Amino acid sequence: SAVISQKPSRDICQRGTSLTIQCQVDSQVTMMFWYRQQPGQSLTLIATANQGSEATYESGFVIDKFPISRPNLTFSTLTVSNMSPEDSSIYLCSAGQVEAFFGQGTRLTVV
Amino acid sequence: AQKVTQAQTEISVVEKEDVTLDCVYETRDTTYYLFWYKQPPSGELVFLIRRNSFDEQNEISGRYSWNFQKSTSSFNFTITASQVVDSAVYFCALSESSLRDYKLSFGAGTTVTVRA
Repeated sequence: SAVISQKPSRDICQRGTSLTIQCQVDSQVTMMFWYRQQPGQSLTLIATANQGSEATYESGFVIDKFPISRPNLTFSTLTVSNMSPEDSSIYLCSAGQVEAFFGQGTRLTVV
Repeated sequence: AQKVTQAQTEISVVEKEDVTLDCVYETRDTTYYLFWYKQPPSGELVFLIRRNSFDEQNEISGRYSWNFQKSTSSFNFTITASQVVDSAVYFCALSESSLRDYKLSFGAGTTVTVRA
């Protein structure tokens, strides 16, 4: 099983600012995924990040709002841009095909 | 269309009772994977089990057991002799081979509260 480290674990941000979340995997993986979990809701996939190519975004999510980097096979970042209170959620990264292990999540509150 | 249905929103039991969480899925793939995760109040998602579509053998791990029935497209999860530490939100998820990146579709989750 992969060990996935995500940081920050939580943050409180002012509206209009941006936050970058980092996800580090202890082994090389082809696929990394970013999910959003709004309060009291299930997880929704934001995008799939492959090394060396543009991220693939799900319906309702756009690159300008959630830019993603994937510089190598063990690391990815998700930026939440121009934040509003509606962006308050837990953001989770996941790694690997089929294995689907998750980082501990980033609990974001936008005020 | 919802691919994973967890019809039970909340379940409350007294410690030592058994609790069964239902999960019904929908897919046209012959190869797929089913998962259960536990999310305690701290928020992290804890992997519990992965089952592939070709393995219908039921599994037991300590107080946890899983019943996979392809005929009814169900993958139910039972906690035996529940404990307060089992209180959490439990998610069932599906990963389909037809989706190139095997991304997960999650059910809505079932909140389990175990009372002392």
